[in-house]
Amino acid sequence: GAVVSQHPSWVICKSGTSVKIECRSLDFQATTMFWYRQFPKQSLMLMATSNEGSKATYEQGVEKDKFLINHASLTLSTLTVTSAHPEDSSFYICSAATPNYGYTFGSGTRLTVV
Amino acid sequence: KNEVEQSPQNLTAQEGEFITINCSYSVGISALHWLQQHPGGGIVSLFMLSSGKKKHGRLIATINIQEKHSSLHITASHPRDSAVYICAVDEGQFYFGTGTSLTVIP
Repeated sequence: GAVVSQHPSWVICKSGTSVKIECRSLDFQATTMFWYRQFPKQSLMLMATSNEGSKATYEQGVEKDKFLINHASLTLSTLTVTSAHPEDSSFYICSAATPNYGYTFGSGTRLTVV
Repeated sequence: KNEVEQSPQNLTAQEGEFITINCSYSVGISALHWLQQHPGGGIVSLFMLSSGKKKHGRLIATINIQEKHSSLHITASHPRDSAVYICAVDEGQFYFGTGTSLTVIP
C-alpha cells in the first residue's frame, strides 16, 4: 500500500525560529500533497495544496510567506513554518494524492513553539 | 496491524438508501473524527466524538468507547454524499483508517 512518512512526529522550538516538516512518499509518486493544520479541540483545516513542480495554492487566511511549501519532487513535500510563534503551535498533517492509491496521510507533526 | 480498521472499503448505494460505515480501533483515544474527503482532495471534518452520539443534518455518528467502535450513518443518501469517508483517532497522534469510498447513484 501507499505510505507517507512524515517527520518529525513532534517538535519543540523557540519563538522566532523556523521549523521544517517533511512528508515523503515511500513507495509511490505523490503528484499532489495537501497540508492540514489542527488546533487543539478543533477540526482539521486545509492549509494549502501543492502540485509537484509548481507553486502551492493556499487557503484563505493562510500566510504563504509564513508557511513555505516546497514540492520539488514526486516523493517529497516540505512545509516550513518560518519565524514561528506560540500561536503556530498546532498539529500539522500532510495527505498525498495519486491516481492509483487515492489519498493517504502522514502521521502528523505536533509543533510546540515556546 | 492497523490501529484503525474501517469497513466497507467501497460502497455503492442508490439514492435514498440508509448508509452505515464502521470504524474499529485498537488504541486508547482522546477523540475520534469522521472526515469527508471529496475528489478534489479537500477534507471536511464531519464529527469529533469522545462519547455517545452526534447528529448533523442527515449525518449521525456514534461511538462505543468500551467496544472501541464507531459508526457513521447517512440517512436519505444523495449523490452529493459521494466521497471518501475517513475515520481518524486522536491518541496524541492521529491514526487514520484507510477510508470508505462511497458512491451514491441517482
